[in-house]
Amino acid sequence: ETGVTQTPRHLVMGMTNKKSLKCEQHLGHNAMYWYKQSAKKPLELMFVYSLEERVENNSVPSRFSPECPNSSHLFLHLHTLQPEDSALYLCASSRSMKETQYFGPGTRLLVL
Amino acid sequence: DQQVKQNSPSLSVQEGRISILNCDYTNSMFDYFLWYKKYPAEGPTFLISISSIKDKNEDGRFTVFLNKSAKHLSLHIVPSQPGDSAVYFCAASASSGNTPLVFGKGTRLSVIA
Repeated sequence: ETGVTQTPRHLVMGMTNKKSLKCEQHLGHNAMYWYKQSAKKPLELMFVYSLEERVENNSVPSRFSPECPNSSHLFLHLHTLQPEDSALYLCASSRSMKETQYFGPGTRLLVL
Repeated sequence: DQQVKQNSPSLSVQEGRISILNCDYTNSMFDYFLWYKKYPAEGPTFLISISSIKDKNEDGRFTVFLNKSAKHLSLHIVPSQPGDSAVYFCAASASSGNTPLVFGKGTRLSVIA
């Protein structure tokens, strides 16, 4: 068990839907991350939060909106997504930004 | 510009033999290196790490070697098992500055029985 959980594990949504992905870590870590992994592509870092402050936003479209209400929870709000946004969305956490990241199982998202 | 490079997208090895996965980096400030293993539709799992003060770290069947002068690290798996078939990511970070881990693109290892 990694201590990082993600819900839902699978999500199918239409392009006009609004949904949210949830990540929770029970490791006492101070940094949390959202990654996207599309088929046959490398991991793409989307957002980084350190001590609940967003520290990195890698040119992610505004239809993805992160939220970090506390150090244990991270959300990714999705709105008017495109079919090309279909991917595995991974959450990770680490004690600090420079240390080992521990990943959740991911949410497999399909946008129709 | 890729700071962490895994130049082999895939590797096939026979069961019982040694698997060697390679990783090169360009940023001389990197001083902490990690390997992750990823099965399809799952999150990466941390395998092994090495600090730049060492040149070798071993954990069971897994050994990571670091060559700082060449800016190269490698992961050795011996003996390789079919369950080792996965994508392996190399990652690096710098203790100075405030940037998270930088990941390579991954190498898909297939261990053939």
